[in-house]
This record gives sequence, structure tokens and C-alpha cells, in this order.
Amino acid sequence: DGGITQSPKYLFRKEGQNVTLSCEQNLNHDAMYWYRQDPGQGLRLIYYSQIVNDFQKGDIAEGYSVSREKKESFPLTVTSAQKNPTAFYLCASSTGTGGVEQYFGPGTRLTVT
Amino acid sequence: GESVGLHLPTLSVQEGDNSIINCAYSNSASDYFIWYKQESGKGPQFIIDIRSNMDKRQGQRVTVLLNKTVKHLSLQIAATQPGDSAVYFCAEKAAGNKLTFGGGTRVLVKP
Repeated sequence: DGGITQSPKYLFRKEGQNVTLSCEQNLNHDAMYWYRQDPGQGLRLIYYSQIVNDFQKGDIAEGYSVSREKKESFPLTVTSAQKNPTAFYLCASSTGTGGVEQYFGPGTRLTVT
Repeated sequence: GESVGLHLPTLSVQEGDNSIINCAYSNSASDYFIWYKQESGKGPQFIIDIRSNMDKRQGQRVTVLLNKTVKHLSLQIAATQPGDSAVYFCAEKAAGNKLTFGGGTRVLVKP
């Protein structure tokens, strides 16, 4: 089955701890994205990567970091510098060559207390 | 399930009726506009897109209309079904592959 997976679905952490969210795709897509979703708001772009070993900040990158060492994987680290880390995090991928459709994973709900 | 929008505008529609969801966009340079559907606890799913040089595009039971004069986009769902209950987002794509999402509209289908 081709698709994009995120794990775990629910994640709980204590304040002050860094946490890494997993995103894997087997669609052979070049581009990958991380979004944050809060109640009452649409999706906001955190980071994106058009190609392996390259990534750019999105609209709300502060307090987050990413890596893109492999085409299939785009992990997101929520650092202790992120002031409001509790949210629903969505990963997506696209062909990257002007492809409009982004394919989304099922999301990870992060709760920090 | 996931609460993706506690305070979203809500459209209540009777099963079998047509639904119209509206969206205002901001960037005149956007070259594509896309509609996504998000069910509770899941990631968004692509529904349909429209290029900026078109004003209408039809899919299966869905039609997207684009009015560039007033920067308005709408999604029409024909014969709305219970499975259409979800949150619907519009998104616009400018240069590169970045999408900017709107705030979303919740559609509730009444039996």
C-alpha cells in the first residue's frame, strides 16, 4: 500500500522536553511538509522540504526543527523553545515538480503538560 | 475523534440537498486553488483543484467555481450524503509548492 504514515497517533510529553514526530512516505515524492492545526484554525505550515538534504522554514518555524536525510522520511522535532506545543501535527507529501495535490498522513496529536 | 475546529463556521444541510461552501482568498498571484475534506481524527483528503485561468471545474458530485474579480472560491456538493459530513478547507498555491489554507467550514448533514 502506498501512503504516508505518522506515528504515534497520540503523544504526551512533559514541558521542557524535546519530542520528535515521525513521518514516512513510500510514494516516491520529492516534497514533504509539516503543518500544525489548532482548534478553530486552518493548517499552518511549519517547515517544508523540496528535496533530500534541503528544507525551508514555513510560516511558524520558531521552536521546531526538521531533517531530510532520506527521501522517505521527514521527522519534526518540537523543542522546549516552542511556547505552545500542544496541537495536532500533520505531515504531507507531493511530487514536488509543480504537483498541486498534497497527500496527508493521519496526524499526531501532541499534548504537553 | 479529533476536534479540528471547535469554532468553525458550520453549514447544516439536509441529506439530498446541495451544499455550497465559500472561501475568500487573498493572493492574486495564486495559480491553483484546492479544496480538501477532513473527517474527524484524520488528515485532509484532496477533493478537487482549479487552475487560476479557469472559472469552473467539475468532478464527481462536486463543482468548484472561481471568481478572480472578487477573489472568491466555492465548492458545490450535489445531493449531499451523510459521508460528506466533515470540515472543508480551501487552499491557494502561489510560487513553488507551498499551500496557504483557509480557516475551514464544518458541514453537518442532517438525515
